Amino acid sequence: GAVVSQHPSWVICKSGTSVKIECRSLDFQATTMFWYRQFPKQSLMLMATSNEGSKATYEQGVEKDKFLINHASLTLSTLTVTSAHPEDSSFYICSAGGQGRHGEQYFGPGTRLTVT
Amino acid sequence: QQQVKQSPQSLIVQKGGIPIINCAYENTAFDYFPWYQQFPGKGPALLIAIRPDVSEKKEGRFTISFNKSAKQFSLHIMDSQPGDSATYFCAASGSGGSYIPTFGRGTSLIVHP
Repeated sequence: GAVVSQHPSWVICKSGTSVKIECRSLDFQATTMFWYRQFPKQSLMLMATSNEGSKATYEQGVEKDKFLINHASLTLSTLTVTSAHPEDSSFYICSAGGQGRHGEQYFGPGTRLTVT
Repeated sequence: QQQVKQSPQSLIVQKGGIPIINCAYENTAFDYFPWYQQFPGKGPALLIAIRPDVSEKKEGRFTISFNKSAKQFSLHIMDSQPGDSATYFCAASGSGGSYIPTFGRGTSLIVHP
């Protein structure tokens, strides 16, 4: 099946620093990757959609300068949380959808970010 | 505006019971309806999905029932087990230029031994 990995699985950083989260599709090429944020006991909140080789499309209310997304290849997308603050602490999940995979998304295991 | 409404928010059943989770959608352009299972601290995993050309799909103990005219679909878990305790999300997406899914709010299922 389609496998998506994320790294790191958890990270603790100090307020004001930046953190990069990697999302990789391991056995298929993902033309589109999605980044979600999830608060405890809540649904997934789409932050942005990234397409390989082009700029990400951010959802309303998501600061593009704070959450930098790069989709440099068909198997790798990165999310960088810049100048992190405690309110950025959350569970970040990526998903990947491949060309020809109509509507199907495969999720990574998530990254738990804690900003102190 | 929530385009996919999921109920109930939480569900408790005994082992062997058949929990049913319901979702309703509004956008008639939706043509792909997956269900995801999420365990605490993990990412969602695709469980089963259906397209509107069929009314039912079964994979193992999991069955999706789909009612196109009512714009509703549901997940049934047969012979539920404690290991099925998780949060379940329904979703819907469409081929109208975007495959970005819209998720329901999730159902927390607890299966007691």
